[in-house]
Amino acid sequence: QVQLQESGPGLVKPSETLSLTCAVSGDSISSGYYWGWIRQPPGKGLEWIASIYHSGSTYYNPSLKSRVTISVDTSKNQFSLKLSSVTAADTAVYYCARQKYSDYVDYWGQGTLVTVSS
Amino acid sequence: EIVMTQSPATLSVSPGERATLSCRASQSISRNLAWYQQKPGQAPRLLIYGASTRATGIPARFSGSGSGTEFTLTISSLQSEDFAVYYCQQYNNWPEWTFGQGTKVEIK
Repeated sequence: QVQLQESGPGLVKPSETLSLTCAVSGDSISSGYYWGWIRQPPGKGLEWIASIYHSGSTYYNPSLKSRVTISVDTSKNQFSLKLSSVTAADTAVYYCARQKYSDYVDYWGQGTLVTVSS
Repeated sequence: EIVMTQSPATLSVSPGERATLSCRASQSISRNLAWYQQKPGQAPRLLIYGASTRATGIPARFSGSGSGTEFTLTISSLQSEDFAVYYCQQYNNWPEWTFGQGTKVEIK
């Protein structure tokens, strides 16, 4: 059974960088799937942030591209997200996910709430 | 950007009744559409992909249809565990995925 687990600070100060990691178990991150991050502000809908392939190919939401970096560590079977210059608008539950290639998400992490506040 | 519009925003249905949810794309996405179910405090769960293919373990009462710009998710006989928020997602325009704003199915 594939499992994804997000980790990282639950509170980030405005203008700082949000950093999250997703540990993958039950599958190899080099298995041929894409891996991504999706967020959901409290009480709102879903927004795709970024995705990565194990080869290192990266894909970003154009609206966030200037502030986002996604990376993969195949040795640790995990991938990470960095979002810089955060504001209160970046407060959200952040989900990591396994993508069926460039298509849909077939496995989700449980999500982690990140609050941007001083 | 492809805009996905779901309707209605809220659907009130009695247990055992049929629920019909709509999702419209601002331009044709062929059949590159997925549906997800999200319950409070949980991550979304994949229900349907390819507009009409049920994901593994999804009950037959869930069905999807449509192509191009108009799509429908039908729940044939609502069970108590089906009351949730449902999202559609297009993946035709990779890497610019977009989601609909969601339809909440509530108990009437």
